Amino acid sequence: AQSVTQLDSHVSVSEGTPVLLRCNYSSSYSPSLFWYVQHPNKGLQLLLKYTSAATLVKGINGFEAEFKKSETSFHLTKPSAHMSDAAEYFCVVSAGGSQGNLIFGKGTKLSVKP
Amino acid sequence: EPEVTQTPSHQVTQMGQEVILRCVPISNHLYFYWYRQILGQKVEFLVSFYNNEISEKSEIFDDQFSVERPDGSNFTLKIRSTKLEDSAMYFCASSESSGLGGQETQYFGPGTRLLVL
Repeated sequence: AQSVTQLDSHVSVSEGTPVLLRCNYSSSYSPSLFWYVQHPNKGLQLLLKYTSAATLVKGINGFEAEFKKSETSFHLTKPSAHMSDAAEYFCVVSAGGSQGNLIFGKGTKLSVKP
Repeated sequence: EPEVTQTPSHQVTQMGQEVILRCVPISNHLYFYWYRQILGQKVEFLVSFYNNEISEKSEIFDDQFSVERPDGSNFTLKIRSTKLEDSAMYFCASSESSGLGGQETQYFGPGTRLLVL
């Protein structure tokens, strides 16, 4: 069965410093992986996705993630945090096969200090 | 840019009452989904819907739940007799297809916060 583990429930960074949100996945086959962001009182917005093409995936708002099969990781990074990046971030894996449903991690809340 | 919309944004109901949560998926999408997020917990898959029938459902989606596409635009989730534990944020999502292995992006609505008293 597919699963994702987000290693940090809360990450706090200063504005202008790098962001690293960690995600490890478990999958019995080559997975499709996604990062979604949820701002307060808003829906889930897709940041980026990996679907077995390039292992380094670039997303919106300067975020990127690297798929590392050997480490079963899909960490989300951004070189320089902005105040508007404060939100909750979800690492997601597709259930796969003929199934389209998504399996979510518990989420990482990112705080950005001025 | 097209987006998924959901109504109402908030709903308060008494235990045992029926509620209907409404969603308008993106117009050219063919696959529709409901997820829920109980406060402080993970987002969980409930059900997927394609071609006017349920494609998959989770163990959460028991006989108290049903989904329907009553017309060409709306997609609804009905909870027949609400329980306290149904209190959650309910998200609707849609995608153009399911994609091989679920590659297709799902676009989410803003959610309906349901509170059962």
